[in-house]
Amino acid sequence: DTGVSQDPRHKITKRGQNVTFRCDPISEHNRLYWYRQTLGQGPEFLTYFQNEAQLEKSRLLSDRFSAERPKGSFSTLEIQRTEQGDSAMYLCASSPRSGLHHEQYFGPGTRLTVT
Amino acid sequence: QKEVEQNSGPLSVPEGAIASLNCTYSDRGSQSFFWYRQYSGKSPELIMSIYSNGDKEDGRFTAQLNKASQYVSLLIRDSQPSDSATYLCAVKASSGDKLTFGTGTRLAVRP
Repeated sequence: DTGVSQDPRHKITKRGQNVTFRCDPISEHNRLYWYRQTLGQGPEFLTYFQNEAQLEKSRLLSDRFSAERPKGSFSTLEIQRTEQGDSAMYLCASSPRSGLHHEQYFGPGTRLTVT
Repeated sequence: QKEVEQNSGPLSVPEGAIASLNCTYSDRGSQSFFWYRQYSGKSPELIMSIYSNGDKEDGRFTAQLNKASQYVSLLIRDSQPSDSATYLCAVKASSGDKLTFGTGTRLAVRP
């Protein structure tokens, strides 16, 4: 069973540039989540999708952040006009459609460095 | 009060000992609780989930849940140096699907 994949694994960008990350969930998982993790902290929730519908967005997700999952399969997270404070590991997770508790399985993450 | 609290550690135990990791949470309506293991520079890996009061065992790992006390714990028996990692407690919100994580407890197992 192929796990969650994320691309790129590392991204270095200059302040003010736009970046886009991609996440491919585990096959047939209908829920997809984005989290952000900084050093010494646990992951913080950003947003999640059930199929193509974005069901919840964190207040952490400023206007510069947007996420899409147009066909209910892969998802993209875009950050516009990056700031140094955006430097973090961006984690994607997916969970299956069945069951009540929706265990979430994480991908390897995309490490963003804003210089 | 933080929503999910863990002692940041480090918790140091000798090889072969039992490591005990604790977590408290504030959302009384939460029903789903998870333990993730995270090695340095890697992403979190799900190792245990628990939904009912009591104990749940899986190999060397035992998760314990007490909803009345809003307390979750993870016991690791026969600790190995390869268990050295940060252990994250995660709680699913009573409404919606997001996980709220603690800051993690760093475990170091001494050979």
